[in-house]
Amino acid sequence: QVLLVQSGAEVKKPGASVKVSCKASGYTFTNYYMHWVRQASGQGLEWMGIINPSGGSTTYAQKFQARVTMTRDTSTNTVYMELSSLRSEDTAIYYCARGPYGSRRWFDPWGQGTLVTVSS
Amino acid sequence: DIQMTQSPSSLSASVGDRVTITCRASQNISTYLNWYQQTPGKVPKLLIYAVSSLQGGVPSRFSGSGSGTDFTLTISRLQPEDFATYYCQQSYGAPLTFGGGTKVEIK
Repeated sequence: QVLLVQSGAEVKKPGASVKVSCKASGYTFTNYYMHWVRQASGQGLEWMGIINPSGGSTTYAQKFQARVTMTRDTSTNTVYMELSSLRSEDTAIYYCARGPYGSRRWFDPWGQGTLVTVSS
Repeated sequence: DIQMTQSPSSLSASVGDRVTITCRASQNISTYLNWYQQTPGKVPKLLIYAVSSLQGGVPSRFSGSGSGTDFTLTISRLQPEDFATYYCQQSYGAPLTFGGGTKVEIK
């Protein structure tokens, strides 16, 4: 079955960077987009951006444009999301989620989530 | 950015009730609208895509309708496992945006 397995929880200090991984299995990695979505505790969902694992092209939400980098490794079917200049407001669960090619973008399935805590 | 507004933000209902959740977009998004369910402590799950297409394995008591700016998620007969938070999401324009969520609680 389709499975997205993310890396473990992280604790970072303000100003640091964090890199979260998402390993895909159960489907052809390069046939689907991968999105990153975050959720602060008790809050709603916020889309961060998308990567095309086939060519590596990315589109980021403007809010994160200056601080986020999404990459992929096709040899291990893994995508990465790195967020820099962390601040306390970045404390959240970060999810990767697969999306179909085409103009209609939805998220299915989702990784289990990675809790990133930013604290001094 | 396209703003997605859900109403109500929370509701109390009983098992067997019919529940309707509304999602309104700040501009015309055609049929680029999806719905998710998130139970406490769990990962969001895709319920409906493109307004009314049921994702595989989702019970038929869930249905969606609408177009343009106004959309609806209906649960025909609420079951115990349906108590959760529901989010709408638009994919008409970037950034992709979600509604604030509707929490369905047990009455």
